[in-house]
Parts: sequence; structure tokens; C-alpha cells
Amino acid sequence: KQEVTQIPAALSVPEGENLVLNCSFTDSAIYNLQWFRQDPGKGLTSLLLIQSSQREQTSGRLNASLDKSSGRSTLYIAASQPGDSATYLCAVGGSNYKLTFGKGTLLTVNP
Amino acid sequence: SAVISQKPSRDICQRGTSLTIQCQVDSQVTMMFWYRQQPGQSLTLIATANQGSEATYESGFVIDKFPISRPNLTFSTLTVSNMSPEDSSIYLCSVGSRGYEQYFGPGTRLTVT
Repeated sequence: KQEVTQIPAALSVPEGENLVLNCSFTDSAIYNLQWFRQDPGKGLTSLLLIQSSQREQTSGRLNASLDKSSGRSTLYIAASQPGDSATYLCAVGGSNYKLTFGKGTLLTVNP
Repeated sequence: SAVISQKPSRDICQRGTSLTIQCQVDSQVTMMFWYRQQPGQSLTLIATANQGSEATYESGFVIDKFPISRPNLTFSTLTVSNMSPEDSSIYLCSVGSRGYEQYFGPGTRLTVT
């Protein structure tokens, strides 16, 4: 059974800092890995999708990497802003589109 | 990307009653899913809603408690039956696209008293 762990559970940083969120998974036989953002009481916004054959994906200030063999992914956020404050969820995609989620990292960016 | 809407956005229900949640997508999609997010927890897949056939449920979820309909390629409903306070959660639908990327609706926040 796939298990996904995210570290740290919470992170508070000053505005402008670069930061890294970590995600690890137990079964390396994955189809893809997806990073989401969830604002309080809201649904999920897809940030980046990395296919199992890829090493990284970039979108604006976000960069996600994937090391399938070691069961790890990182989400790098450059020059953080208060608007980046949210919960960031890592989800590993298996067969039939099924996603297994981590518990998330609660990020607070202080002005 | 797909645009997904859910109704209702939130509800407060009494124990023992049922609530049906609707999920509407702006384009035809093959794969639709229902997830539950209990307070302070991450998302757990309830079932895959299959068009024209019965839903496929994950371990720990049963059709009698969470009946699902999928009448066409843009719409699905999830019913939470005979509710108890333990059913208080956010319920989200999602759709799969080419490349296996998933998009989520805004969620339905359910409180059972």
C-alpha cells in the first residue's frame, strides 16, 4: 500500500525567502506525482504534474523535482510572498488515475 | 484544464438524514472521482464514478453508505446516507485528464449535528 509523507508539517518564513517542501513515498512504481495548493476551506488547485519519466517541472516561481528510485519529490518556491500562504499537498498517482495524498505542509509567509 | 462546480458548497445536516452532492464539469471526461477530507486530515479516495456502470469503491467505503450516480460524461452525484457526526468532512469531486493530471472541484463542506 502506497504511503506518502510530507515534511515539515508546518513552515513559517519571512517574505522573500526561498523554501523547499519535501514529499516521500514508499512504492516507487508510480505513474506521476502532482503538487496541489489548498487554501482554507477551499478545493485543490493543481500546481505541477511530474510524469514518472521526468525529473522536474517548472512553473513560474515553482520548481518540482522527482527522484522515483529514492521515493522523493521536492517543491521549491522562490522568493516567497504572503499570497503563497496555503497548505501544499503532494499526491502520488498510481494505476487507474488513483491518487494517494500526503497530509500536507501548512506554509505561512509573513510580510 | 477542466472547470468543476459542486453543489451545495456547504450544508449543516441532522444525524440520520441524507445529502446528495452534485458535481458538474464543463467538458466531457472519462474519469470522475469522489474524495473525502476529514478535519485535519488529507484526502482519501471514496470511489471512481464510472459512466454507465456502477461506481468502484475503495476499501472501507460501501455503496449503501455512499451511493454514486454518473448519468453522463459531465455530471455525477454522491449521496452521504444515514449521516452521523463522523461524516462531517469536505467532499470533493475530481476529474482526470490526458497525462493523468487531476483537477478538483471547490468541495462541499458538510457538518452533521
